[in-house]
Amino acid sequence: GENVEQHPSTLSVQEGDSAVIKCTYSDSASNYFPWYKQELGKRPQLIIDIRSNVGEKKDQRIAVTLNKTAKHFSLHITETQPEDSAVYFCAASRETGGSYIPTFGRGTSLIVHP
Amino acid sequence: DAGITQSPRHKVTETGTPVTLRCHQTENHRYMYWYRQDPGHGLRLIHYSYGVKDTDKGEVSDGYSVSRSKTEDFLLTLESATSSQTSVYFCATGTGTSNQPQHFGDGTRLSIL
Repeated sequence: GENVEQHPSTLSVQEGDSAVIKCTYSDSASNYFPWYKQELGKRPQLIIDIRSNVGEKKDQRIAVTLNKTAKHFSLHITETQPEDSAVYFCAASRETGGSYIPTFGRGTSLIVHP
Repeated sequence: DAGITQSPRHKVTETGTPVTLRCHQTENHRYMYWYRQDPGHGLRLIHYSYGVKDTDKGEVSDGYSVSRSKTEDFLLTLESATSSQTSVYFCATGTGTSNQPQHFGDGTRLSIL
């Protein structure tokens, strides 16, 4: 089955700095890669996603890049703000036997210091 | 988000008792999932459903069972709760296509003493 590794597990930055979170996956057939943000005590919520036919996607201060050859994808947050502090999860998914089952990374706790 | 309601939101119970968590959705999504979230482990899939009465196991299914008698409801049952099942449980739904995200409920915090 799919295996997703996420690094680092904790990332501490100063407000205004950039933050990068990296994920690798094992199944070359995975074709959809969402990123979720989970604030303390809240539900995970989608912040950005990328499909395998795209190399990069941006949404304001957030961007995701995908390298299919190397089987890794990354989340980039620029000009970080204290409200970016949260746990971020990456996921990789494909259809297997007609079922869509994403595999999640273990999460990265991002701390943005004012 | 996608009209997902989990109940109860918090529960404290004793070892050996049965526990049922409910997930209700109003979006008519085909797929429903149960995850548990523990520090250092991220989101681990317990069971999922791809239609009424169609369910399958995830990576941490031991000690759990599920049922889906209606499209909108997905129940997770701990037949005899153990302290190792203390966790936060999230329900999620999805359309079943591989390039669409999941939508999560607010979670249930379960403590087993």
